[in-house]
Amino acid sequence: EVQLVESGGGLVQPGRSMKLSCAASGFTFSDYYMAWVRQAPKKGLEWVASISYEGSSTYYGDSVKGRFTISRDNAKSTLYLQMNSLRSEDTATYYCARLDYYYVMDAWGQGASVTVSS
Amino acid sequence: DIVLTQSPALAVSLGQRATISCKTNQNVDYYGNSYMHWYQQKPGQQPKLLIYLASNLASGIPARFSGRGSGTDFTLTIDPVEADDTATYYCQQSRNLPTFGAGTKLELK
Repeated sequence: EVQLVESGGGLVQPGRSMKLSCAASGFTFSDYYMAWVRQAPKKGLEWVASISYEGSSTYYGDSVKGRFTISRDNAKSTLYLQMNSLRSEDTATYYCARLDYYYVMDAWGQGASVTVSS
Repeated sequence: DIVLTQSPALAVSLGQRATISCKTNQNVDYYGNSYMHWYQQKPGQQPKLLIYLASNLASGIPARFSGRGSGTDFTLTIDPVEADDTATYYCQQSRNLPTFGAGTKLELK
């Protein structure tokens, strides 16, 4: 069974940093692109970042470019999102998602809540 | 960015047909595939893939769900609607960097 389990969320002050992790199991992690998607309270889904199989290529949404970094450790089957210079508008539930060949998000984690507030 | 436009809400009766639309400002077709996908999200849960590449049913999804469309116009149909289908439905394109529609909330009359 495919499982994606996020961790590392919580309350953080504006301007500080936080790192999310997503532990994958039930599939060969290195065979898939991976992504982070977020959802602000009562709002819709927003793609945040994607990463290629070995991590050599990364892609970011305009709202996080230059502040967030997506990475992966295939030996640990774990995806990461380093979030720097956090703002109140980054408050959201962050989901990791597996991307299939056509970049369809075919599996999702349960989400990690991040609140940016003083 | 490719912009996806969905109606915000839809109310249907149990057993009737629900049709949710998604329109894009750019063509999302590429080499014979339409890079449009649909997700269901219930309150407090993560999104779940329903339909991929416009018309393909994801694994484990009942045949009451179907998708169609190409180019810039797409629809998700649920027929017949069941009580468990109350949720928000999102379209998403992967022709370019991913973008989502704002979601359509399906309610029962």
